[in-house]
Amino acid sequence: DTAVSQTPKYLVTQMGNDKSIKCEQNLGHDTMYWYKQDSKKFLKIMFSYNNKELIINETVPNRFSPKSPDKAHLNLHINSLELGDSAVYFCASSQDLAGGSNEQFFGPGTRLTVL
Amino acid sequence: AQSVTQLGSHVSVSEGALVLLRCNYSSSVPPYLFWYVQYPNQGLQLLLKYTTGATLVKGINGFEAEFKKSETSFHLTKPSAHMSDAAEYFCAVSASTNAGKSTFGDGTTLTVKP
Repeated sequence: DTAVSQTPKYLVTQMGNDKSIKCEQNLGHDTMYWYKQDSKKFLKIMFSYNNKELIINETVPNRFSPKSPDKAHLNLHINSLELGDSAVYFCASSQDLAGGSNEQFFGPGTRLTVL
Repeated sequence: AQSVTQLGSHVSVSEGALVLLRCNYSSSVPPYLFWYVQYPNQGLQLLLKYTTGATLVKGINGFEAEFKKSETSFHLTKPSAHMSDAAEYFCAVSASTNAGKSTFGDGTTLTVKP
């Protein structure tokens, strides 16, 4: 059973389009995250949710909007895609915030290519 | 504020040689420290973590790391490299004052030569 799953795995789209990436975890965790990994492998946090409540919202263009319908799901919607949005997007989860002491479990990633 | 510096973006070792990946952190409160590994086209997975207690932490696949507060370091070691250890390694820091946010280093690519 996949602990943290993301769909789709690959996403190729044109500039200006709107797209969504879905994430689900079956670990019973309270906290979920979205990360962006660029072509140099640098990993940056975008958002985190705890029990469906937004906790972390880094400096991310407001074209990116996360949505957490329940604790097990955290989706990422991106409006008006730009070339610079091309990256690998990772979803992750952790048991709870626990002051940051819990490790994170990562999904397999979604490779987004904007043409 | 918290930050992580991984010294050496690329490390190359021979199979059977010692692996040493360096990580220094900055944190205004006691840190929690993690090492994650990323194999090609996969997500990150935890190798080991330090929260409190014993400063020498053992992880999966024969890796270990030692928390040295005086040196603000958390270097990752493995006595004998295997070809299968070739991957990207990330050090991360978090703290109780930062809403569970982990800050990741820029990563170190480990190459293992036969």
